[in-house]
Amino acid sequence: EVQLVESGGGLVQPGGSLRLSCAASGFTFSSHSMSWVRQAPGKGLEWISYITSDSSTIYYADSVKGRFTISRDNAKNSLHLQMHSLRDEDTAVYYCARDPTMTRGNFDCWGQGTLVTVSS
Amino acid sequence: EIVLTQSPGTLSLSPGERATLSCRASQSVSSYLAWYQQKPGQAPRLLIYDASNRATGVPARFSGSGSGTDFTLTISSLEPEDFAVYYCQQRSYWPPLTFGGGTKVEIK
Repeated sequence: EVQLVESGGGLVQPGGSLRLSCAASGFTFSSHSMSWVRQAPGKGLEWISYITSDSSTIYYADSVKGRFTISRDNAKNSLHLQMHSLRDEDTAVYYCARDPTMTRGNFDCWGQGTLVTVSS
Repeated sequence: EIVLTQSPGTLSLSPGERATLSCRASQSVSSYLAWYQQKPGQAPRLLIYDASNRATGVPARFSGSGSGTDFTLTISSLEPEDFAVYYCQQRSYWPPLTFGGGTKVEIK
């Protein structure tokens, strides 16, 4: 069974840092690009970062560029999002999502999400 | 950045009725448009990719159409489990990948 499981969310003060992880199983992780997508409470979906299977290409949304860093460890089937200088508006559920490869830029499998709350 | 505008914001229908959801792009996205379904407390689920292709396991009552700037998701006959929020998403010109604001399909 294809599975993505996020972890690392929690309560953090404005200006703080947090590292999210996503554990992948049930598929060849090293063959797929991956993304992080977030959803603020009661709001819509926002794509924030993308990384190719070999980490050679990385993209960020303007809203997180310079503050967030995406990375992956194919040997450990894991995806990460290092978040610095967190702001109130970064409060959201963060999902990792798999790129189906044949249609690059879609999301065919999602984790259950991890909640990040930025508040003093 | 390509902006996707979904309408209506909320659609109130009864089980068995036909649902028609719209997504309009600020510029042509060719056929590179997907639809996702999200139920409360759950992650989104890919329904349709490249405008009209059903994802694996998606029932035939879901269909997508359109190209360029105007797209439609149709649910031919609503089942109780179809009441949810639906998002469109484009992958034509990115980054950034962008989503529409969503349409909530609620029970009338």
